[in-house]
Amino acid sequence: DTEVTQTPKHLVMGMTNKKSLKCEQHMGHRAMYWYKQKAKKPPELMFVYSYEKLSINESVPSRFSPECPNSSLLNLHLHALQPEDSALYLCASSQPFRGTSGRHNEQFFGPGTRLTVL
Amino acid sequence: GENVEQHPSTLSVQEGDSAVIKCTYSDSASNYFPWYKQELGKGPQLIIDIRSNVGEKKDQRIAVTLNKTAKHFSLHITETQPEDSAVYFCAPRKKSGGGADGLTFGKGTHLIIQP
Repeated sequence: DTEVTQTPKHLVMGMTNKKSLKCEQHMGHRAMYWYKQKAKKPPELMFVYSYEKLSINESVPSRFSPECPNSSLLNLHLHALQPEDSALYLCASSQPFRGTSGRHNEQFFGPGTRLTVL
Repeated sequence: GENVEQHPSTLSVQEGDSAVIKCTYSDSASNYFPWYKQELGKGPQLIIDIRSNVGEKKDQRIAVTLNKTAKHFSLHITETQPEDSAVYFCAPRKKSGGGADGLTFGKGTHLIIQP
């Protein structure tokens, strides 16, 4: 199974709502990622979890709150979003690598959640 | 950090012709050079990669060539087919001390295959 699943596929929310995006993988990967992709732009890294611990936060506003409850699941909790946060949110997973002789491991991406903030 | 430039932004070719997309990077420590393909409604998918100790790698109709001196690498697609229509991203990176690093993508190339 080389699949990363994301739910929901589409989400419309108001600026006062609280919602969550979910991501799941069963490849035994111990690194998971959230990316944000605006239309006609490349994906931009938001967060990285390595061994279920947050290792990278790319200065993302606190209205986005990631959570990694176990090695297969990654959530992104959304609260008080702005219309400019409307985008495709992509989850990815990979094996992390260790040491200076470590490999570069392929990241597997899910199909994304299309988020619209009204 | 890595400064990545990708050209062209849009490329239209006749079915059966070849397509070439170029990626230029700034960090001479970069040693891993992947290309990702993103089809409509899907996440990016790795299609080919090359490491800095190799100058060229081929996989059927796709190939990647690397010029470390000039700091650029290119994606070559031969005998293009309609299913090659997609956005292609390069994402050069360097080996870190450990853990997991996110990808820094080029701006993308929209490849259109004309029937």
